[in-house]
Amino acid sequence: AQSVSQHNHHVILSEAASLELGCNYSYGGTVNLFWYVQYPGQHLQLLLKYFSGDPLVKGIKGFEAEFIKSKFSFNLRKPSVQWSDTAEYFCAVISSNTGKLIFGQGTTLQVKP
Amino acid sequence: EPEVTQTPSHQVTQMGQEVILRCVPISNHLYFYWYRQILGQKVEFLVSFYNNEISEKSEIFDDQFSVERPDGSNFTLKIRSTKLEDSAMYFCASGQAVETQYFGPGTRLLVL
Repeated sequence: AQSVSQHNHHVILSEAASLELGCNYSYGGTVNLFWYVQYPGQHLQLLLKYFSGDPLVKGIKGFEAEFIKSKFSFNLRKPSVQWSDTAEYFCAVISSNTGKLIFGQGTTLQVKP
Repeated sequence: EPEVTQTPSHQVTQMGQEVILRCVPISNHLYFYWYRQILGQKVEFLVSFYNNEISEKSEIFDDQFSVERPDGSNFTLKIRSTKLEDSAMYFCASGQAVETQYFGPGTRLLVL
């Protein structure tokens, strides 16, 4: 069965630290991969997505992610986090042609000022 | 910028009661979805809806659940007889294509 696994459940960083959140997926077909963010009290927002082409994808707010097919990974990175990046981050994959998204369990990022 | 909206933001109901969760998708979108997130667990897919019919549903989406697009703008999720384990945050999403979904703010349902 398709699945998405996020390695870190809770990450605490100081401002200006670098961030990398791990995501691995298990899916045999063509993958469409996503990172969503949920700021406190807000709805899920799309950070970035990968469908094809350049495996290094740039998203909003300085985030990027790298698709490594051989490792079934799609890790999220940001060189220097800010307090406003405090949120929950979800990795997801589309698993069917109906658009069904399968989510990882989420990573809570807390950035200390 | 257009957004997906959901009402109510919170709902408390008694076990066995029917609830209807409402969503207004973005107006030119064609694909509609419901997801839920039980506290402390993953966001789970419930159902996808396209061209006025269900295109896929999960094992969770049993006979107690139904969806409807009654008037071309609203997209509703009905739970006929709620159970304690239906307590969760319910998210609606819509998209012009399957690859990009925009999520609403969610309805927090508490079944007592």
